Amino acid sequence: ETGVTQTPRHLVMGMTNKKSLKCEQHLGHNAMYWYKQSAKKPLELMFVYNFKEQTENNSVPSRFSPECPNSSHLFLHLHTLQPEDSALYLCASSHSIAGEGNEQYFGPGTRLTVT
Amino acid sequence: GENVEQHPSTLSVQEGDSAVIKCTYSDSASNYFPWYKQELGKGPQLIIDIRSNVGEKKDQRIAVTLNKTAKHFSLHITETQPEDSAVYFCAASIGSSNTGKLIFGQGTTLQVKP
Repeated sequence: ETGVTQTPRHLVMGMTNKKSLKCEQHLGHNAMYWYKQSAKKPLELMFVYNFKEQTENNSVPSRFSPECPNSSHLFLHLHTLQPEDSALYLCASSHSIAGEGNEQYFGPGTRLTVT
Repeated sequence: GENVEQHPSTLSVQEGDSAVIKCTYSDSASNYFPWYKQELGKGPQLIIDIRSNVGEKKDQRIAVTLNKTAKHFSLHITETQPEDSAVYFCAASIGSSNTGKLIFGQGTTLQVKP
């Protein structure tokens, strides 16, 4: 266990549904991240939060809406997704985003299928 | 844009042999290079990393080397064991390591045959 948990582990949703992914880290870290992992493609960074503030949005479509209420929790709200959004969504955390302590630790991911 | 190339995409070795995975990066400002191991059904696990102020780092059977001039870094696993079988990803910081942004290679599927 890395100290980063994600729920649910699997999610099937229709294109008109609204759902949320949850991530929680128990490591006392200050930064959290969302990544997308699709088959045959490298991990893609989506969002970075540092001390609850969004510091990076990697040109992610607005149908993905992140929320970081505190340094331990990160959500990804999903609405009107497309089938090509089906992927493994990974959450990660790190103590800091700069220099020593920026090592990122990943959760197990949520396998999302959009039908 | 920045990218990281990783080779080979698949690697099969006999138990006890060594395995080497190589990555090249394009951003000369990158200064943090982690390696991750991902087993089936799990998230990536950080196994070793290196920063640009050193050329080599070892941790038991795993070592990473960095050549900043050539912009490439490599993962070396010695005395491979079946439990080393997994997908391995290299990554490089985008620009300096002050943003938390990493760009990942495409992954190498390592199979260790008993």
